[in-house]
Amino acid sequence: GESVGLHLPTLSVQEGDNSIINCAYSNSASDYFIWYKQESGKGPQFIIDIRSNMDKRQGQRVTVLLNKTVKHLSLQIAATQPGDSAVYFCAEKGARGGSYIPTFGRGTSLIVHP
Amino acid sequence: DGGITQSPKYLFRKEGQNVTLSCEQNLNHDAMYWYRQDPGQGLRLIYYSQIVNDFQKGDIAEGYSVSREKKESFPLTVTSAQKNPTAFYLCASRNSGTQETQYFGPGTRLLVL
Repeated sequence: GESVGLHLPTLSVQEGDNSIINCAYSNSASDYFIWYKQESGKGPQFIIDIRSNMDKRQGQRVTVLLNKTVKHLSLQIAATQPGDSAVYFCAEKGARGGSYIPTFGRGTSLIVHP
Repeated sequence: DGGITQSPKYLFRKEGQNVTLSCEQNLNHDAMYWYRQDPGQGLRLIYYSQIVNDFQKGDIAEGYSVSREKKESFPLTVTSAQKNPTAFYLCASRNSGTQETQYFGPGTRLLVL
């Protein structure tokens, strides 16, 4: 079956360091990917997305890289701050019976130490 | 303010009781979704609705029911048939016309007494 997975369940970094969170996907036909941030007890928040016709997309302090050759997605957070501590997960665009149904990874917990 | 709201934030269910979780959006989105999230796990799809008066079962629909009588509302009922209902429930919506991004509500945590 198709799946979206994350390499590391927990990532600990020092404040000010750069963070890299990875995600693997298995459907080579996927053409759209999203990264979400979920703080404890809250709903996921959209961070950034990327289409398969791009290799890189930048936002404010965040960059998403897409390597279609190895079906790998990464989220880079520059100058990580304590407020970045959260669970991050990627989602892959999917379809089911003509309906848009994304596939979500389990998530990586980012812990930022002051 | 535009957005998705869920209520209540916490909900307690007694054994044998049905409870209903509310999800409302004023984003004029066509599609709405319900997910269940358990600790350390990803989101699992319960039900989804692409348009008013139509909905489909997701991966874990057993013990749940939904309705979509209005575009802005997609309530989820957790029935007594759901034997392990304790979880964090998330509602999401999407503009099915051109947008592929789902936007999520703040969630409801359901606990069993």
